[in-house]
Formats: sequence, C-alpha cells, structure tokens
Amino acid sequence: EVQLLESGGGLVQPGGSLRLSCAASGFTFSNYAMSWVRQAPGKGLEWVSGISGSDGSIYYADSVKGRFTISRDDSKNTLYLQMNSLRAEDTAVYYCARDPPITGRFDYWGQGTLVTVSS
Amino acid sequence: QSVLTQPPSASGTPGQGVTISCSGSSSNIGSNTVNWYQQLPGTAPKLLMYSSYQRPSGVPDRFSGSKSGTSASLAISGLQSEDEADYYCAAWDGRLNGVIFGGGTKLTVL
Repeated sequence: EVQLLESGGGLVQPGGSLRLSCAASGFTFSNYAMSWVRQAPGKGLEWVSGISGSDGSIYYADSVKGRFTISRDDSKNTLYLQMNSLRAEDTAVYYCARDPPITGRFDYWGQGTLVTVSS
Repeated sequence: QSVLTQPPSASGTPGQGVTISCSGSSSNIGSNTVNWYQQLPGTAPKLLMYSSYQRPSGVPDRFSGSKSGTSASLAISGLQSEDEADYYCAAWDGRLNGVIFGGGTKLTVL
C-alpha cells in the first residue's frame, strides 16, 4: 500500500525557515517523480515544486523560486522541502504527492502538514 | 488568479448530471493532458481523472472527462450526495515550466 507521511510543519516567524519531510513507503521511491502542493486556508490548490525520479530535474513555482529547495534521499525514501525567507502568504497545508512523471497527475497524496507563518 | 479557469460553483439534484469546465491556453491544456481532483471537506485531494479522460481504478464510471483544444470538462452523471466536494483541474504548462491548477469548483448536491 502506497503511503506518504509529511512532517515538519509548525509555526514560524516571517523571514524564518522550516524543513518539511515526506516519508514514502509501498512503492519503489527512486522510480517516481514527487511534488509538493500547498493549500492556503480556505483557498485552492497550488503546486509548489517537483523533482523527477530519474534525471534529477527540478521545477519550482515562481512564487517560491529562490526561497524554497526541493530534494530527495532515495536511500531513505524521503522527500524534502527546505523553506527559507518565509512569508505570511506561505501559510498553508503542504501536501507531498507522487507524480509519475511530473505532469500534474498526482496519484497518491499525503495527509498534509500545516505551516503557519506569523509573528 | 489561476491560469486555468473554472466556474467557482456548480450544483445539481440527486440523479441529475453536471459538467464542470476548465479553460486554459495553448501552453497548458492545448498541448498537455488534463487531470482532475476531487477534494472532500477536510481531506487530501484524490485523483479522479488523468490524461484527460482516463479513470483510476475505483473511480465510478459516472465520472467522465473530455478535452477539446484549450478546454477540458469533467462530467458527472447520476449525482449522489457524496459527490458534494471541491473539484480541481490541473495540467503541465510548458511556458511556466510547472504544474498549474484551476481555481476549483465547489459542487453542491441540492
């Protein structure tokens, strides 16, 4: 059974940093592209970043480019999102999702982790 | 403002059919396939349709997808109360070099 479990969310001050993790199980993690998708309170879905499973290609939404860094450790079956220079508008539930390949076809999602940026 | 445009709301009575549209451009829907998601309140989104008209296993055939030019549609027939949810379309955008979502459509089953 495919499972994705996010962790690392919490309350952080504007300008601060946070690292999210997504532990994957039930499939060969290294074979799949993965993405982070977020949802601000009461708002719609926004794709944040994606990383391929093969050639290491990485993509970012313009809203986070230069501030967020996606990475993966295939030996640990874990996806990461390093978030720096956080802003109030980054407040959202962050989901990791499997995307084979990076086309917006997210076939499995985690339960999400809430990031709140506030002073 | 989303790159993919969806109506903010849709409604129907049990047993009826409803269609949700998703309008884009040549850099997204016009040149890539469309995926649809259903999000029930308080839960993570669920893949409902991929590659514009393919249903993942377990999704009832009451749900169908189509695409023409730079627009796509999700049709739901025989509405049921459990279909009340938010629905999102998504596609790769070659100009933005990323995935884009529609703003979402809240479906109400009256």
